[in-house]
Amino acid sequence: QVQLVESGGGLVKPGGSLRLSCAASGFTFSDFHMSWIRQAPGKGLEWLSYISSSGSTIYYADSLKGRFTISRDNAKNSLYLQMNSLRVEDTAIYYCVGRLRYWGQGTLVTVSS
Amino acid sequence: EIVLTQSTGTLSLSPGERATLSCRASQSVSSDYLAWYQQKPGQAPRLLIYGAFTRATGIPDRFSGSGSGTDFTLTISRLEPEDFAVYYCHQYGSSPWTFGQGTKVEIK
Repeated sequence: QVQLVESGGGLVKPGGSLRLSCAASGFTFSDFHMSWIRQAPGKGLEWLSYISSSGSTIYYADSLKGRFTISRDNAKNSLYLQMNSLRVEDTAIYYCVGRLRYWGQGTLVTVSS
Repeated sequence: EIVLTQSTGTLSLSPGERATLSCRASQSVSSDYLAWYQQKPGQAPRLLIYGAFTRATGIPDRFSGSGSGTDFTLTISRLEPEDFAVYYCHQYGSSPWTFGQGTKVEIK
């Protein structure tokens, strides 16, 4: 069955960096556009970034101001999110999402000193 | 950026009642690329509707989506106990994609 498993979350200090990964299985990853979406504790959903199936088209939320970079490796069935200059307000569960319908269980990122 | 407004923060209804959730966009949603999600506590969201009115695989037919342009509606014809949750609308027609702030459907 379709599975998306995020990893790479954890506790980081403000100004630090993290790289999130999402391992996909159970479907043809290279056919799917993918996104990262996050949810701060007790808050709503926030879309962060989109990457097309080939990786040729990428979009970002304006609020990220160039701090985050999405990428994928279709040979490894993996999606990534490089997060730099992290802020306290980036604390959230980060979800990997395939074609709107397939969601991972999320990885928690906590930014705190 | 398209701002999505879900005007009702909380809907208090009883099982068996009809739920009508609204989502208004600040500008027209391209190609009616509007989705609805359901989220229960501690779980990832689940896609219910995409393309404004198409039910995702496995979604019961008591869920229906309607609308176009800037006004969209999710209707749950008869609430089942498992339908009490938070619902989000989401536009993916133009970048940046955006979400509404959510509507909580709670048991009255």
